[in-house]
Amino acid sequence: QKEVEQNSGPLSVPEGAIASLNCTYSDRGSQSFFWYRQYSGKSPELIMSIYSNGDKEDGRFTAQLNKASQYVSLLIRDSQPSDSATYLCAVDNYGQNFVFGPGTRLSVLP
Amino acid sequence: SQTIHQWPATLVQPVGSPLSLECTVEGTSNPNLYWYRQAAGRGLQLLFYSVGIGQISSEVPQNLSASRPQDRQFILSSKKLLLSDSGFYLCAWGKEGGTEAFFGQGTRLTVV
Repeated sequence: QKEVEQNSGPLSVPEGAIASLNCTYSDRGSQSFFWYRQYSGKSPELIMSIYSNGDKEDGRFTAQLNKASQYVSLLIRDSQPSDSATYLCAVDNYGQNFVFGPGTRLSVLP
Repeated sequence: SQTIHQWPATLVQPVGSPLSLECTVEGTSNPNLYWYRQAAGRGLQLLFYSVGIGQISSEVPQNLSASRPQDRQFILSSKKLLLSDSGFYLCAWGKEGGTEAFFGQGTRLTVV
């Protein structure tokens, strides 16, 4: 059974700082990696996907993948109070479904 | 563009009553469909997934079942609800091949 691990947090950062969220996964064969944002009481929203080693940037978000270390991270630059949410890391399961980590709760303090 | 509809948004059901949650997708064909459950303060647990009409894979043995009577319709059912079935039920769709999944608004189920 594939496992995806995240620090549950809460991770608190001041407004304007960089928030760094980390995720590790158990299966070296995993090919696709995703970050979702989930506001309290709402459904998860896809914010980033990454498939190759290295960095992928989209606005204030940067996803980083290191397959050798089985590690994927999400950086949020210039953090805003509206970024306060739970961030879920997900990994594909042989292209058929997705395994999610428990999520990291981020709190951006004004 | 693709959209996913899931209803109802909230549901309160007594123990032992039946359950039927429906999910439909628009704007795509032959999607992969998923049912996840999220208990309070917990991560997402995959319940069922389907790669085509009538094809259902179950990840967690329990008193729930799923059906896919049409290409873009996915139904989650139970004959008799348990207290432990309470949670946030999420339907999601993904493109064939398993790249990315997009979630519906979810159904918050409380079994009393």
